[in-house]
Amino acid sequence: DSGVTQTPKHLITATGQRVTLRCSPRSGDLSVYWYQQSLDQGLQFLIQYYNGEERAKGNILERFSAQQFPDLHSELNLSSLELGDSALYFCASSVGGRDSTDTQYFGPGTRLTVL
Amino acid sequence: SQKIEQNSEALNIQEGKTATLTCNYTNYSPAYLQWYRQDPGRGPVFLLLIRENEKEKRKERLKVTFDTTLKQSLFHITASQPADSATYLCALPIYNQGGKLIFGQGTELSVKP
Repeated sequence: DSGVTQTPKHLITATGQRVTLRCSPRSGDLSVYWYQQSLDQGLQFLIQYYNGEERAKGNILERFSAQQFPDLHSELNLSSLELGDSALYFCASSVGGRDSTDTQYFGPGTRLTVL
Repeated sequence: SQKIEQNSEALNIQEGKTATLTCNYTNYSPAYLQWYRQDPGRGPVFLLLIRENEKEKRKERLKVTFDTTLKQSLFHITASQPADSATYLCALPIYNQGGKLIFGQGTELSVKP
């Protein structure tokens, strides 16, 4: 158990809908990262927040947005969902986040299925 | 753009043998490299980090090498066990972009008893 929690575990929804994925980092970790993992694309970095502020950005679609709240939990919002958005979404956390030498601890993931 | 390549085909070995996994990268000079293990349907788990000035790093039955001239890292598991069966991912940082990591596609290792 990494100490990172993600909810929900599974999510099934229809195209065009909007969903919110939630992540609680390990106690004391200031950074939260979001990754998308699909069969054909592998593990793709989406975005990082450090102590409430956006720190780094990957190829995150404009239909996706994220935020980190004062209690350090984070939410990833996915809107206008398409079939291709079906994937495993992982959240990870680390103590710091100013550089990537910090070990990232991954949560169990949310499996999103868009029908 | 930066590219990371790992053995795309699954690696099947016999229990007790040494497994060797390869990670090659191009268009990049990372200061370090990380290796993760991922079991089906679960999040990756950090294993080892090796810096550019370290030729080799060990942790129990794991050994990682980092050749910045060849732009390659090798990941070895000695005395492999069926419990080592998993997908192994290498990851590289993107300079000056916080904790951003770029992951390889991973190599699936299967250790047969």
